[in-house]
Amino acid sequence: ILNVEQSPQSLHVQEGDSTNFTCSFPSSNFYALHWYRWETAKSPEALFVMTLNGDEKKKGRISATLNTKEGYSYLYIKGSQPEDSATYLCAFAITGTASKLTFGTGTRLQVTL
Amino acid sequence: GEEVAQTPKHLVRGEGQKAKLYCAPIKGHSYVFWYQQVLKNEFKFLISFQNENVFDETGMPKERFSAKCLPNSPCSLEIQATKLEDSAVYFCASSQGGLYSNQPQHFGDGTRLSIL
Repeated sequence: ILNVEQSPQSLHVQEGDSTNFTCSFPSSNFYALHWYRWETAKSPEALFVMTLNGDEKKKGRISATLNTKEGYSYLYIKGSQPEDSATYLCAFAITGTASKLTFGTGTRLQVTL
Repeated sequence: GEEVAQTPKHLVRGEGQKAKLYCAPIKGHSYVFWYQQVLKNEFKFLISFQNENVFDETGMPKERFSAKCLPNSPCSLEIQATKLEDSAVYFCASSQGGLYSNQPQHFGDGTRLSIL
């Protein structure tokens, strides 16, 4: 059974703080790691898809890194804003079943003024 | 369309009744995925399609769940003889690239299925 773990489960920061979360996944047979941003009652929004060890991706104030050898990815948010409040989901695919994403349970971020 | 469209938004059924959910993928996307979200944000993979062909159905409960993607029609997920534990939000997603590409999946807003 593939297990994707995200930590922390929830996080409460002040506006302007920078923050980061972790996604841990099995390192064997790695194919791709996806990050999604999900606001309740809306659809998950794709942030990044990473496939190469050492990959770093950036979108505005949000960036992500990938270490496939040790099986983790970090998501960073610089200068958090209230609109960043959401659940951040990571999902993992292995070779041979690349169509199937296994999701973590997410990190719920709350940014207050 | 530019978004994955799921209908209905909310579906209420009595235990034992049939439930049918629909998903129109983004135009030009050949790959469709269904996920079931129950507790604690857990998204469970159900099935994937490449056009109208089933690609991976390893997540589908064999007995009561079925799904189709027919040409020129929305994809559908049907649950026969629903049970209380089928209550969940069912998300559909579509993808442009091949199944072995690095393309993200684009999600719909989900259908909340409530079994009473």
